[in-house]
Amino acid sequence: TQLLEQSPQFLSIQEGENLTVYCNSSSVFSSLQWYRQEPGEGPVLLVTVVTGGEVKKLKRLTFQFGDARKDSSLHITAAQPGDTGLYLCAGARGETSGSRLTFGEGTQLTVNP
Amino acid sequence: DTAVSQTPKYLVTQMGNDKSIKCEQNLGHDTMYWYKQDSKKFLKIMFSYNNKELIINETVPNRFSPKSPDKAHLNLHINSLELGDSAVYFCASSRPLRGRSYEQYFGPGTRLTVT
Repeated sequence: TQLLEQSPQFLSIQEGENLTVYCNSSSVFSSLQWYRQEPGEGPVLLVTVVTGGEVKKLKRLTFQFGDARKDSSLHITAAQPGDTGLYLCAGARGETSGSRLTFGEGTQLTVNP
Repeated sequence: DTAVSQTPKYLVTQMGNDKSIKCEQNLGHDTMYWYKQDSKKFLKIMFSYNNKELIINETVPNRFSPKSPDKAHLNLHINSLELGDSAVYFCASSRPLRGRSYEQYFGPGTRLTVT
């Protein structure tokens, strides 16, 4: 079973603080994606990392893929209330066509003004 | 210009009924999916179709039957609904990105409540 463990599950911080969310697995993935989901909506793709050791930045969000492609982290600098949401990591193992995504259990982030 | 759309948004029904959820994507993607998100927000894949062909079929009760009339549509029919079927169902579609990596785009979800 390819399990993706996210930590922490819940995170409540004040505006302006920094935070890191971790996504760990014992399995190797061909790529790893991060999504953000807001209440009543579907997950929205933030980033895809493909190469081991890859770092991608999206404004105040920094995503890193582990060297062995088994883990990833999401770091948010100077969090804002608009960052509030459920953050999901998902590992992909390419099939012949289409890709089976294994999702982590999510990190519910609340940024208080 | 919605990319992945689902209908209905909310569905409340009684145990034993049969219901369908429809999904359409206008992204030109070849692959579509159905996911179930439980009350703990855990997303689990149910089915995947590529060009109308079933390619992923997870351990889902036979009461669930996907149908893809064309590559832009993937519907989900559920027979004899049970209380445990209550969840949010998401449709998604994907395109290939650099080899075997695929990015998935999700619909807004259908909240199914079985009473």
